[in-house]
Amino acid sequence: GDSVTQMEGPVTLSEEAFLTINCTYTATGYPSLFWYVQYPGEGLQLLLKATKADDKGSNKGFEATYRKETTSFHLEKGSVQVSDSAVYFCALSDQDGNQFYFGTGTSLTVIP
Amino acid sequence: DVKVTQSSRYLVKRTGEKVFLECVQDMDHENMFWYRQDPGLGLRLIYFSYDVKMKEKGDIPEGYSVSREKKERFSLILESASTNQTSMYLCASSLPPRGAEAFFGQGTRLTVV
Repeated sequence: GDSVTQMEGPVTLSEEAFLTINCTYTATGYPSLFWYVQYPGEGLQLLLKATKADDKGSNKGFEATYRKETTSFHLEKGSVQVSDSAVYFCALSDQDGNQFYFGTGTSLTVIP
Repeated sequence: DVKVTQSSRYLVKRTGEKVFLECVQDMDHENMFWYRQDPGLGLRLIYFSYDVKMKEKGDIPEGYSVSREKKERFSLILESASTNQTSMYLCASSLPPRGAEAFFGQGTRLTVV
């Protein structure tokens, strides 16, 4: 079945450091890929998405590229801020858009 | 903006109680979901619904039931709460077309004592 595997955390970075959170997926057909962010005590918010191979999703300085050849959707940011501290979830939806599969989440802490 | 609203942010219930978690969305979405979130386990799907009065079991339905009498409302029911159901519960909704994202409520932190 479809599934998502993402980098284990927690991750601790200094402010202005480069961030990469790895995400790989297994899916049949043509899934859509997502990154969600969860701030403490809150629900999940969409950070970015990509719906076909080679698409790049971007938002708030975060980027991820849909790589079909490596079945990956790694999240990157060039310079993290303290306010980026949160839990990040990689997810996919199946090719019908009716079901979602989530990774286990990666906790990021950014220290000043 | 799409809004998904869960009825409570925090709940404390006693073992054996029947517990209702309510979720309402305001954008006419066909699909609605209930997940539970536990440390190290990510989000696990309890139940989902593609339409009114329709429901499908997810990965961990045991001990739970759901109700969807109206399109905008999806209720999760714990028939007899147990301490191992202490968790964060997240409701979400989405439209079926491929590429559409899921929208989440703010979560309900349930503690069963």
